[in-house]
Amino acid sequence: DAKTTQPTSMDCAEGRAANLPCNHSTISGNEYVYWYRQIHSQGPQYIIHGLKNNETNEMASLIITEDRKSSTLILPHATLRDTAVYYCIVRHQGGSEKLVFGKGTKLTVNP
Amino acid sequence: NAGVTQTPKFRVLKTGQSMTLLCAQDMNHEYMYWYRQDPGMGLRLIHYSVGEGTTAKGEVPDGYNVSRLKKQNFLLGLESAAPSQTSVYFCASSPGTGRNEQYFGPGTRLTVT
Repeated sequence: DAKTTQPTSMDCAEGRAANLPCNHSTISGNEYVYWYRQIHSQGPQYIIHGLKNNETNEMASLIITEDRKSSTLILPHATLRDTAVYYCIVRHQGGSEKLVFGKGTKLTVNP
Repeated sequence: NAGVTQTPKFRVLKTGQSMTLLCAQDMNHEYMYWYRQDPGMGLRLIHYSVGEGTTAKGEVPDGYNVSRLKKQNFLLGLESAAPSQTSVYFCASSPGTGRNEQYFGPGTRLTVT
């Protein structure tokens, strides 16, 4: 699976959009971008994934650049409950491989 | 849907005791996983299953056994607990069949003294 690079930490004001970047310059053509988060003391939570088109669900939006070398997870109206570590993972769809979380980005939403 | 549930939430064992952790999912997922997470470390895969009646070893299987007798349940057993098995255990499931986003349970916090 391709390697990803994320900032160590970010801050966001409550109610504002949180934009979390991820670089994955070695992504291959059939690899997807997945985002998960882990709130302190809870299990990891799947957020969204995409291949090349932008994706949106009830939790977030995923913007993937045209060359697919980077992506941005957008939480449109961050709340205090969105404070968590966010992980960007690149992997093939399908298969039973384990998830490998890197260091992720610690997002702190401030009141 | 309850999603993925884990029983128990907390447990303290003495060295040498045995126990079984239960994971249940109500999403009709094919694949199920057991991970452990230790402080400052990422998830490590213990065992996984790609369907009812099947199991496979992950990266840290020693000291653990698993069974998947029913599609919705995945059991993790510790036959003789050791202090090194003190950890938080997470179960996850994924649809399989071309989709592998994983849905996690709330975790079981196990302490072995």
